[in-house]
Amino acid sequence: GAVVSQHPSWVICKSGTSVKIECRSLDFQATTMFWYRQFPKQSLMLMATSNEGSKATYEQGVEKDKFLINHASLTLSTLTVTSAHPEDSSFYICSARVSGDTQYFGPGTRLTVL
Amino acid sequence: QKEVEQNSGPLSVPEGAIASLNCTYSDRVSQSFFWYRQYSGKSPELIMSIYSNGDKEDGRFTAQLNKASQYVSLLIRDSQPSDSATYLCAVNTYSGNTPLVFGKGTRLSVIA
Repeated sequence: GAVVSQHPSWVICKSGTSVKIECRSLDFQATTMFWYRQFPKQSLMLMATSNEGSKATYEQGVEKDKFLINHASLTLSTLTVTSAHPEDSSFYICSARVSGDTQYFGPGTRLTVL
Repeated sequence: QKEVEQNSGPLSVPEGAIASLNCTYSDRVSQSFFWYRQYSGKSPELIMSIYSNGDKEDGRFTAQLNKASQYVSLLIRDSQPSDSATYLCAVNTYSGNTPLVFGKGTRLSVIA
C-alpha cells in the first residue's frame, strides 16, 4: 500500500504557542489530503480537506483561523495549530487518497498542550 | 446526510472463532467500501476494499457486500487476540477528492 508519513509523532507544547504538523506522501503524489482529529475513546472526526495549490475546505465547527492548513506541493500538507490550548490536545491524523478512492493514513501525531 | 452505521460493541469472541462485523450505509449510490483496523493509540490501517456484490477473501478476512440491502460485512476467521481492535467501515459515494464516510467503529475483543 501507499505510505503516508507524519512528523512529529508526538509533541508537547505550552499553552499559547503554535505547533506545525507535517504530512507527507512518500511514494505517490497526493492532490488531496485529509486531516482528522481523534480524542481518546472517540471516533475519527474529519477536520478539513487539503487541496494542493488551493484553500482547504473545513468541516463545520472547525475554526480555519486556528487550524491553518497549507498544501504547497503534491507530497506535503501541513497543519498548524495556532495559539494552542489544553483542549486542543488530541491525536491528529492525516490521510491521502491514491488513484481514485482508497485512503491511506499517516501514523498520527499526538499533541499535548500544557 | 450520508451515514455509515456500525454497532459500537464491544464484540467479544473466543480465540479461534469467527468474528462477524457489520455495517450499513444510507446512500444507495455508494460505489466502494473499505474496512480499516485501528489499534488503541494508533492510526487506522486498511484491511480490505470491496467494490462488487458478493464475497472477497484475503487470508483470514472476508468482506461481503450486498448493495441491494446496503450492507457490508467483515468476517475474521480463526480470530486471534492480536485481532482485538476497533474496526472501521468506510464508504465512498463520490469520485474525486471527497473523503470517505466512516462509521464510528466496532470494538472487537478476542478472548484467549
